[in-house]
Amino acid sequence: ILNVEQSPQSLHVQEGDSTNFTCSFPSSNFYALHWYRWETAKSPEALFVMTLNGDEKKKGRISATLNTKEGYSYLYIKGSQPEDSATYLCASSGSARQLTFGSGTQLTVLP
Amino acid sequence: DAGVIQSPRHEVTEMGQEVTLRCKPISGHDYLFWYRQTMMRGLELLIYFNNNVPIDDSGMPEDRFSAKMPNASFSTLKIQPSEPRDSAVYFCASSLDKTGAPEAFFGQGTRLTVV
Repeated sequence: ILNVEQSPQSLHVQEGDSTNFTCSFPSSNFYALHWYRWETAKSPEALFVMTLNGDEKKKGRISATLNTKEGYSYLYIKGSQPEDSATYLCASSGSARQLTFGSGTQLTVLP
Repeated sequence: DAGVIQSPRHEVTEMGQEVTLRCKPISGHDYLFWYRQTMMRGLELLIYFNNNVPIDDSGMPEDRFSAKMPNASFSTLKIQPSEPRDSAVYFCASSLDKTGAPEAFFGQGTRLTVV
């Protein structure tokens, strides 16, 4: 089982601030890196899937980058809004395809 | 497609009883995952299937837990006998490994409470 770590564990930002989180994962036997957004009482919602070193994905104000050689990914949120408040999960999959999740970063955007 | 469908959404049972959780993956998906979410451990992978075959069940806590996938459209996770420490939210997810970048889609989860 891959060991995926996320930091920080929780984060409070003011509305309008930009922020970023880190996900680190073992670079050996890497297949894909996933970011999910998880709101309370709902199921995780897929944001991005990345496979290639140097990949960058963007969806609105949210973007992500991937470095497979050093085993990390960043998730960026530009101009945070209260509706961005959620837990952001990172998951890595190896050649066996199963997703191993980090413990998540809990983001609270204060109005 | 309606997405991954889990049932029941909530289950309250007494210690010692058998509990069966059900999952219908997205049609055409070839991977199915069972996860358990707890405050202490976050999202833990219990078991996953590829083309209905169990691939890795090393996350299953103990012999009281079992999972089956009799066909491509249905899977069950059974706990017998259930214990209070099994209380958690159980998620099922499915994915299609076709494009090389499989995105897993989650069901709404089953919140299990064992009293």
